[in-house]
Amino acid sequence: DTEVTQTPKHLVMGMTNKKSLKCEQHMGHRAMYWYKQKAKKPPELMFVYSYEKLSINESVPSRFSPECPNSSLLNLHLHALQPEDSALYLCASSQDNGINTDTQYFGPGTRLTVL
Amino acid sequence: KQEVTQIPAALSVPEGENLVLNCSFTDSAIYNLQWFRQDPGKGLTSLLLIQSSQREQTSGRLNASLDKSSGRSTLYIAASQPGDSATYLCAVRTQGGSEKLVFGKGTKLTVNP
Repeated sequence: DTEVTQTPKHLVMGMTNKKSLKCEQHMGHRAMYWYKQKAKKPPELMFVYSYEKLSINESVPSRFSPECPNSSLLNLHLHALQPEDSALYLCASSQDNGINTDTQYFGPGTRLTVL
Repeated sequence: KQEVTQIPAALSVPEGENLVLNCSFTDSAIYNLQWFRQDPGKGLTSLLLIQSSQREQTSGRLNASLDKSSGRSTLYIAASQPGDSATYLCAVRTQGGSEKLVFGKGTKLTVNP
């Protein structure tokens, strides 16, 4: 099983809403990632969890709040977003047991629209 | 700061043609380089990963090469098919700093039947 799943596939929210994105993998990977991708741009790293601890925060605004409840799950809590936060949000995971060979596997993404 | 460039930005070829996609990076102190495929509105599919000590990797009709000293990688696709149409992204994992993946902007490939 080399699958990373993400829910929901699409999300439309207002600027005052609170919502969450979910990501799950059952490959035994110990690193999980959130990326943001705007149209016709490459993915940009937001957060990295390694062994369930936040290891990288790429200076992301506090209206995005990540959570890693266990080694298989990764959430991204959203609150008071702006229209410019509309994007494809990608989750990825990797084994994190050897940086030279560490392949990241991506989920299908959640298409977020902020009204 | 690592910068990754992909040329061309878009490429259109007839079915059956062999083609090469290019990727260059400015900082040769990398752990690995990874090629991905992305279909419109979808996630990324990992195609090949080349470790910094390797020169090339092959998977089916795909062959990726790495020349770390010159900061270049190529992705060779043999006997292209319409199903190969997608955006191809290369990404490098750089030593030092946050060691994150830095992506190029991608090459949009169209294979015409």
